[in-house]
Amino acid sequence: DGGITQSPKYLFRKEGQNVTLSCEQNLNHDAMYWYRQDPGQGLRLIYYSQIVNDFQKGDIAEGYSVSREKKESFPLTVTSAQKNPTAFYLCASSIEQGDTQYFGPGTRLTVL
Amino acid sequence: AQSVTQPDIHITVSEGASLELRCNYSYGATPYLFWYVQSPGQGLQLLLKYFSGDTLVQGIKGFEAEFKRSQSSFNLRKPSVHWSDAAEYFCAVALTDSWGKFQFGAGTQVVVTP
Repeated sequence: DGGITQSPKYLFRKEGQNVTLSCEQNLNHDAMYWYRQDPGQGLRLIYYSQIVNDFQKGDIAEGYSVSREKKESFPLTVTSAQKNPTAFYLCASSIEQGDTQYFGPGTRLTVL
Repeated sequence: AQSVTQPDIHITVSEGASLELRCNYSYGATPYLFWYVQSPGQGLQLLLKYFSGDTLVQGIKGFEAEFKRSQSSFNLRKPSVHWSDAAEYFCAVALTDSWGKFQFGAGTQVVVTP
């Protein structure tokens, strides 16, 4: 089955630590995205990538970093510079930018 | 500035009753429009989308939505709600003059009572 996988489902981090969230897709999509979701808010765009080896900052990129070395993979690192990292993180992909986005199941990050 | 507004934060509906969720957008051009549904702790699932053509769009799970250009709205409807429809619903627009960036509403939480 084609789809998007995110791991882990739950992640706990101590303050001051970096942590990397995994996102893999086998849909052969060119574009991939990372969103942050907080209670009572919509989704906010962190980073997006239109193609391998290229990515752009979204609306709330500070304290986050990404890489896109393979078409299938778009990992997100939450660095210690992110002041309030506890949130639900969603990865998405689309055939191309502007087209329908399909979402993974999400990773819930909690900073202890 | 572009924005997507879902005026109802929370809606309670009886099982079997009809449901309508409102979505309004502020955008100069005609965007691409989407409705997604999210169950607790899960990702978003696409219900339906509008790009062009017929302004009444049919989606999965018995949902439909109507695009009204004059009102800048894209309301979601279901004639008869099932208990499994309890979830959070998000309206989204793709900004066609800005690389297709998605802008999401804040969501509407739907509770279904027996």
